[in-house]
Amino acid sequence: QKEVEQDPGPLSVPEGAIVSLNCTYSNSAFQYFMWYRQYSRKGPELLMYTYSSGNKEDGRFTAQVDKSSKYISLFIRDSQPSDSATYLCAGFMNTGFQKLVFGTGTRLLVSP
Amino acid sequence: DTEVTQTPKHLVMGMTNKKSLKCEQHMGHRAMYWYKQKAKKPPELMFVYSYEKLSINESVPSRFSPECPNSSLLNLHLHALQPEDSALYLCASSQDRVPNAYFGSGTRLTVV
Repeated sequence: QKEVEQDPGPLSVPEGAIVSLNCTYSNSAFQYFMWYRQYSRKGPELLMYTYSSGNKEDGRFTAQVDKSSKYISLFIRDSQPSDSATYLCAGFMNTGFQKLVFGTGTRLLVSP
Repeated sequence: DTEVTQTPKHLVMGMTNKKSLKCEQHMGHRAMYWYKQKAKKPPELMFVYSYEKLSINESVPSRFSPECPNSSLLNLHLHALQPEDSALYLCASSQDRVPNAYFGSGTRLTVV
């Protein structure tokens, strides 16, 4: 079983839609959960990270973590064509060493 | 300055060549990482340096040799690579024990 699972998509939505991206994880040692955005031929860009269960909001983005069900979500409000990219969720453990484990990534396409 | 700079951006090398990838950051981060990313796959961790000491080696073949000359620089020395090693090689850095890793744009390596 992969430590972080994510639907590869693609997920196609019209401009202005609310987007929901989801991941599940199996490793209880993860302490932080991150969302990265990666445009084609670029490195991943950190959008947000959360430490505990609950919601964290930053502009149009909301990250949600439910540790009881091992479920991670990213919501994008008022989606724009410039949001079209691959979104990677990741778990981070810091127990004596540092390890960032990525999901497979979901490709998002926002059409004008 | 939140930039991680990687050089070269593109590299084509033969299987008998020796080459090096370079990574530089000036954010004062004490953790630096090498990741390998194949097309349509998530980044896979190769090495982690923490305070210039190698703390994680994810069973990477010895034809990949990392080096951390100082806290700002990270190198990846390549020797006798195989065509299947062709990929995007990403460098990242973060504050120690904090998950906000910043990625460079990567070096796109082709082994012929």
